[in-house]
Amino acid sequence: GDSVTQMEGPVTLSEEAFLTINCTYTATGYPSLFWYVQYPGEGLQLLLKATKADDKGSNKGFEATYRKETTSFHLEKGSVQVSDSAVYFCALRGTSGGSYIPTFGRGTSLIVHP
Amino acid sequence: NAGVTQTPKFQVLKTGQSMTLQCAQDMNHNSMYWYRQDPGMGLRLIYYSASEGTTDKGEVPNGYNVSRLNKREFSLRLESAAPSQTSVYFCASSDRSGYGYTFGSGTRLTVV
Repeated sequence: GDSVTQMEGPVTLSEEAFLTINCTYTATGYPSLFWYVQYPGEGLQLLLKATKADDKGSNKGFEATYRKETTSFHLEKGSVQVSDSAVYFCALRGTSGGSYIPTFGRGTSLIVHP
Repeated sequence: NAGVTQTPKFQVLKTGQSMTLQCAQDMNHNSMYWYRQDPGMGLRLIYYSASEGTTDKGEVPNGYNVSRLNKREFSLRLESAAPSQTSVYFCASSDRSGYGYTFGSGTRLTVV
């Protein structure tokens, strides 16, 4: 079945540092890939998405490129802020078996210090 | 533009008590879902409803029941709460394709 693997956290950075959160997936066909963000005390919000190979999703300074050859969708940001502290979830929506329910990774906590 | 609304936000139950978590969406979405979130476990799907009138089990359905009351509302019931059900519960909805996935802000439930 489909699966998503994220790097374990927490990831702790100083403000203005470069961020990478790794995400790899296993799926048949051509899944759509997503990053969600969860701020403290809130639900998950869609951050960005990519629906086909080599697509780059971007939002709020975050970027992720759909790499089919490495089955990866790593999240990057050039300069993080304290307000980026949150939990980040990688997810995929498969194309096989008629399932439209996303498969989520376990989440990676990001802590940004001033 | 409320999106997905969950009530209550916090609840403390004694073991054996029952309660219903409420969820409503105003985006005309066909599909609705209930998840629980536990430390180190990520999100786990409890039940979902692909469309009005249908419900299906997810990954961890034991101890829960659901009702899709109408297109807007999807409730989750704990008939006899157990400490293992202490968790944060999220409701979500999506369009028929599975895109536009929108989450509520969660219910933090403690069973003592």
